Amino acid sequence: DAGITQSPRYKITETGRQVTLMCHQTWSHSYMFWYRQDLGHGLRLIYYSAAADITDKGEVPDGYVVSRSKTENFPLTLESATRSQTSVYFCASSRQGDYEQYFGPGTRLTVT
Amino acid sequence: GESVGLHLPTLSVQEGDNSIINCAYSNSASDYFIWYKQESGKGPQFIIDIRSNMDKRQGQRVTVLLNKTVKHLSLQIAATQPGDSAVYFCAEMAGANSKLTFGKGITLSVRP
Repeated sequence: DAGITQSPRYKITETGRQVTLMCHQTWSHSYMFWYRQDLGHGLRLIYYSAAADITDKGEVPDGYVVSRSKTENFPLTLESATRSQTSVYFCASSRQGDYEQYFGPGTRLTVT
Repeated sequence: GESVGLHLPTLSVQEGDNSIINCAYSNSASDYFIWYKQESGKGPQFIIDIRSNMDKRQGQRVTVLLNKTVKHLSLQIAATQPGDSAVYFCAEMAGANSKLTFGKGITLSVRP
């Protein structure tokens, strides 16, 4: 049972480049979430998705794009990476009607 | 691994003592609260949760207390062990599948 996985685990990219972070869950959870974690800010919601083809903005969506063509995948794309997007990114999922969210192991992204 | 524990408030306790971690939340409409534990290099891991219609809930070695009057949440860990050393986050939610709003986190350090 793989649960929820993220790839890559570590990524270094240059300012202005496009980068996509992948998230995959094997539970068929309806809801998926992307958070970023920064020193002094805790975790902040970037985007979330209630089902395939349904996405919505969270607290800090600027500079990010998401898609969800399949229930199990929820990629996060930085269209033109900036240094301020250096962070640790966590994907999470939850069942319809449930409160608990299950988190992936995270991706550490460094933008130089 | 990720160094998100740096610059966070730190609680240092002796192994075997009880730990109390406190959290203030902001949204009066929040009806669900959860404590997460995060170890270095890993995603947040569920510890215990509580609904707003309760004021206390116990798990294995952990107890969560909720005081809605002053919007305060606490996590008590009995007989703290070295394996309890981690960053602890409280989070609140207003309605199932809505976003989790995280506190900034507290580092628990257990002295042998």
